[in-house]
Amino acid sequence: AQKVTQAQTEISVVEKEDVTLDCVYETRDTTYYLFWYKQPPSGELVFLIRRNSFDEQNEISGRYSWNFQKSTSSFNFTITASQVVDSAVYFCALRNNMGDDKIIFGKGTRLHILP
Amino acid sequence: EAQVTQNPRYLITVTGKKLTVTCSQNMNHEYMSWYRQDPGLGLRQIYYSMNVEVTDKGDVPEGYKVSRKEKRNFPLILESPSPNQTSLYFCASSHRQGGEQYFGPGTRLTVT
Repeated sequence: AQKVTQAQTEISVVEKEDVTLDCVYETRDTTYYLFWYKQPPSGELVFLIRRNSFDEQNEISGRYSWNFQKSTSSFNFTITASQVVDSAVYFCALRNNMGDDKIIFGKGTRLHILP
Repeated sequence: EAQVTQNPRYLITVTGKKLTVTCSQNMNHEYMSWYRQDPGLGLRQIYYSMNVEVTDKGDVPEGYKVSRKEKRNFPLILESPSPNQTSLYFCASSHRQGGEQYFGPGTRLTVT
């Protein structure tokens, strides 16, 4: 069975601090995709990044970076020099590529950036 | 503009009164899904579709139906809504399996 665990329900940090959001997944599939989505207070869901199971390169996009480690089944997300606009709920998701299109989301981490 | 639209955005209804939430995408995507979002539970997939006339159950399909007669539309049907279906619903589409999803704005449903 597939599972995504975001153990941190809620995190608060002061602006300009770095913060890491954890995501641990379980799957028996060899081919799969991992995603992060952001849900700001306005409610829409915004795609941030996609990673396939064969690409373990870390990725950096501005202040955002992602660390994918198959050995620990983790796909962690770090925000460097956080800003108030980063306040949102962040979801990690797992999507397989083995015949069906079941997609599992974690329960989300609510991030508060305090001014 | 590429987008996923849902209607209505807000709906208050009574137990047992059939309703349909529409979802339409203009990106020619093959893959579409419906989710519900509840506090503390994240997003849970209700149904998905991999192409026209191809639909299947997600994690929480009970009490819901879907259809995919055209590529662009993927309506969610609640034949006899109950209060436990009060939730925020999202429709999403993607152009390939394993691709990122584009989400609609959400439909907040209240069943009394």
